[in-house]
Amino acid sequence: AQSVTQLGSHVSVSEGALVLLRCNYSSSVPPYLFWYVQYPNQGLQLLLKYTTGATLVKGINGFEAEFKKSETSFHLTKPSAHMSDAAEYFCVLSNTGNQFYFGTGTSLTVIP
Amino acid sequence: DVKVTQSSRYLVKRTGEKVFLECVQDMDHENMFWYRQDPGLGLRLIYFSYDVKMKEKGDIPEGYSVSREKKERFSLILESASTNQTSMYLCASSLPSSGANVLTFGAGSRLTVL
Repeated sequence: AQSVTQLGSHVSVSEGALVLLRCNYSSSVPPYLFWYVQYPNQGLQLLLKYTTGATLVKGINGFEAEFKKSETSFHLTKPSAHMSDAAEYFCVLSNTGNQFYFGTGTSLTVIP
Repeated sequence: DVKVTQSSRYLVKRTGEKVFLECVQDMDHENMFWYRQDPGLGLRLIYFSYDVKMKEKGDIPEGYSVSREKKERFSLILESASTNQTSMYLCASSLPSSGANVLTFGAGSRLTVL
């Protein structure tokens, strides 16, 4: 069975501090993994995606994520938080086809 | 850039009213989706369509129907709105692929049913 678990529904960091948003997945086949960001009252925007190949994936706005098969994880990081990073973040799993499995989201607050 | 447009950003309807949510995409994507987003529950799939006039039920289709008469347009219909359908509705589209499909989302339609 396929599923995604995001650890921590709310994360607060100080401006300039490391951002770490955790995502663990369960998949019976090799997964495709995505992180999306949602700003207030907007739709979801793709931050980055892992398909195959390099396990460290770089995305927009300085974010990156590392696919760790042994840990079934795909955590999102950014070295230095900015106020504009405050948003909701979703980890998403897909296999081939049209099935997408969403985590329940992590709300990131950046404290000035 | 692919654009997915949801024409109604905010709607307020009364219980029992028929509600239409429209979604249009401009990049010739075959696949279109309707999701519902509620706090703490993430996104849940209502319906998706992989071609004109084709549709598949998602996880929570009860109380909803869809229409796809043209490739670019995917409509979500609430035949008789109820208060428990107050939510954010997100439309998305993607190309079919044997590999990783990337969803492109609209800005969302926030529906309040009184």
